[in-house]
Amino acid sequence: ELKVEQNPLFLSMQEGKNYTIYCNYSTTSDRLYWYRQDPGKSLESLFVLLSNGAVKQEGRLMASLDTKARLSTLHITAAVHDLSATYFCAVERTGNQFYFGTGTSLTVIP
Amino acid sequence: DTEVTQTPKHLVMGMTNKKSLKCEQHMGHRAMYWYKQKAKKPPELMFVYSYEKLSINESVPSRFSPECPNSSLLNLHLHALQPEDSALYLCASSLVGNEQFFGPGTRLTVL
Repeated sequence: ELKVEQNPLFLSMQEGKNYTIYCNYSTTSDRLYWYRQDPGKSLESLFVLLSNGAVKQEGRLMASLDTKARLSTLHITAAVHDLSATYFCAVERTGNQFYFGTGTSLTVIP
Repeated sequence: DTEVTQTPKHLVMGMTNKKSLKCEQHMGHRAMYWYKQKAKKPPELMFVYSYEKLSINESVPSRFSPECPNSSLLNLHLHALQPEDSALYLCASSLVGNEQFFGPGTRLTVL
């Protein structure tokens, strides 16, 4: 069974600080996705990482993928309050089966 | 049209009711999905349709029955649900092997 684990589960950080969320998965996969979910809302796609070494950046968020280590990171630079949300990574297996990580609840404090 | 729509937004039903959730997309995506999400938990994959072929998650009880009338529509038929089935039900679609686009969800309460 594919397991996808994120850490930390909860993250409280001050505005302006940097931090990294980690996503580990248990079996081989070349496709990894990051999503954001605001409270009471649906999921919004942030990044699609399709190969080893892939790096994507959008604003204050940067995601990377190391398929050999089965690890993806989501780095937050100079956090702002608007980034407060829950972040999920998801791994795709064959047959369009997506497995979501445990989620990281991020709170940015002024 | 670049969105996934779901109806209804909210649904309250009794344990003896039969109801259906509906999902629609017009992005030409050939994969469509149903997820169940409990509060403060990740989405759990329930069903996948790819090119109108169903992949069933074996842990899903038979009181949930999916239907894909065509490549743009996805239904989830509900019958004899239990209170623990109360959750946010999310529909998503994607090009095969690409990112998923999620609908706004149906918040279901079973009394």
